[in-house]
Amino acid sequence: IQMTQSPSSLSASVGDRVTITCRASQSISTYLNWYQRKPGKAPKLLIYAASSLQSGVPSRFSGSGSGTDFTLTVSSLQPEDFATYYCQQSYTTPITFGQGTRLEIK
Amino acid sequence: EVQLVQSGAEVKKPGATVKISCTVSGYTFADYYIHWVQQAPGKGLEWMGLVDPEDGDTKYAERFQGRVTITADTSSNTAYMELGSLRSDDMAVYYCARDRSRSCPSNDFWGQGTLVTVSS
Repeated sequence: IQMTQSPSSLSASVGDRVTITCRASQSISTYLNWYQRKPGKAPKLLIYAASSLQSGVPSRFSGSGSGTDFTLTVSSLQPEDFATYYCQQSYTTPITFGQGTRLEIK
Repeated sequence: EVQLVQSGAEVKKPGATVKISCTVSGYTFADYYIHWVQQAPGKGLEWMGLVDPEDGDTKYAERFQGRVTITADTSSNTAYMELGSLRSDDMAVYYCARDRSRSCPSNDFWGQGTLVTVSS
């Protein structure tokens, strides 16, 4: 299953609301996860099962969608949110990731 | 506290084999799958495969099939990823990660990553 994220990169300011989209090449129900990755660090799970917030993740992060179209929204960007974000489908193996969205400071 | 601790950086020659360990603590090893993920320089995350520590069952990505072997040793709470016939494009950071749920997989805890350098 191919996962396509858009945009590939995004410039935004602290306080902005941003949305990243992820599209699957076939229906994956809600088997969609979102990760944040910062340089030199392991990925961090933000959202699982399309819309469930992982424990300890700030509530400004939210996810939605089902089937083939999904979104990750950050309601009010904080300085620590500038990173690369990946979607991941876990509907079937091979598990596949999107190509990543790099979120940069404007 | 759940922890996954990986073995240290490796330098290998082309054609060689590398074996990376991932020792877990803070939970029952047999209860959760362990996944392995590759991140090459400038590239995204790529899933390599997983192991069910309970019975040793494995699944692999086609790209690595035949070159990768993932195992689990419940006596030492350690998972291993062995990658053979190394080539330059295998130079990457390799992560192990726990699967949060068998019914709705996602990776909630990750190792710190192991850098593999392939150089003659």
